[in-house]
Amino acid sequence: DQQVKQNSPSLSVQEGRISILNCDYTNSMFDYFLWYKKYPAEGPTFLISISSIKDKNEDGRFTVFLNKSAKHLSLHIVPSQPGDSAVYFCAAPAPRGAQKLVFGQGTRLTINP
Amino acid sequence: DADVTQTPRNRITKTGKRIMLECSQTKGHDRMYWYRQDPGLGLRLIYYSFDVKDINKGEISDGYSVSRQAQAKFSLSLESAIPNQTALYFCATSAHGYEQYFGPGTRLTVT
Repeated sequence: DQQVKQNSPSLSVQEGRISILNCDYTNSMFDYFLWYKKYPAEGPTFLISISSIKDKNEDGRFTVFLNKSAKHLSLHIVPSQPGDSAVYFCAAPAPRGAQKLVFGQGTRLTINP
Repeated sequence: DADVTQTPRNRITKTGKRIMLECSQTKGHDRMYWYRQDPGLGLRLIYYSFDVKDINKGEISDGYSVSRQAQAKFSLSLESAIPNQTALYFCATSAHGYEQYFGPGTRLTVT
């Protein structure tokens, strides 16, 4: 049962435009969400997070939006840069799961010059 | 130097062989995790440990075992490797928050 879903395996965006990566979840008990970025031959690195008490969190070019009623979150990158090309995972701590993270399948973002 | 290191980085082994993947960290974190990544499936938790005396199964622990030799070391073993264990394996650590810090990964191929 995939509790965190990223339904778009890939996304291609032109440099300078906005990239929007989406993530849906099924468990209403999730109360915190994280986005990780992964380059080839490297481990995932933490990018940005959001608590369920907020609906938006911004860090430079990266903004995460949370819509609890729709059980949906999105990561916006603006403007997109070639170095943003990577695989992006959304994740949530399993409820009562003692800091175990549940990951989505990942979305491969390609930024075209 | 990297905070979380994994050895080996790449390994090819045959079906039925025992293999150990090692993870070391210098972050001083108590919590350590082993994940595997498969195309289209994201990262799935194999085992996790909150201190040297605490080992817990994740969602896909069958066919794997772990050892927490010290706070800084957490090893993953495949007792008898099979081809569907071919994957990318990641070790991660965390302190008391939700953020986890990942190693560079081990690419394992079982032929």
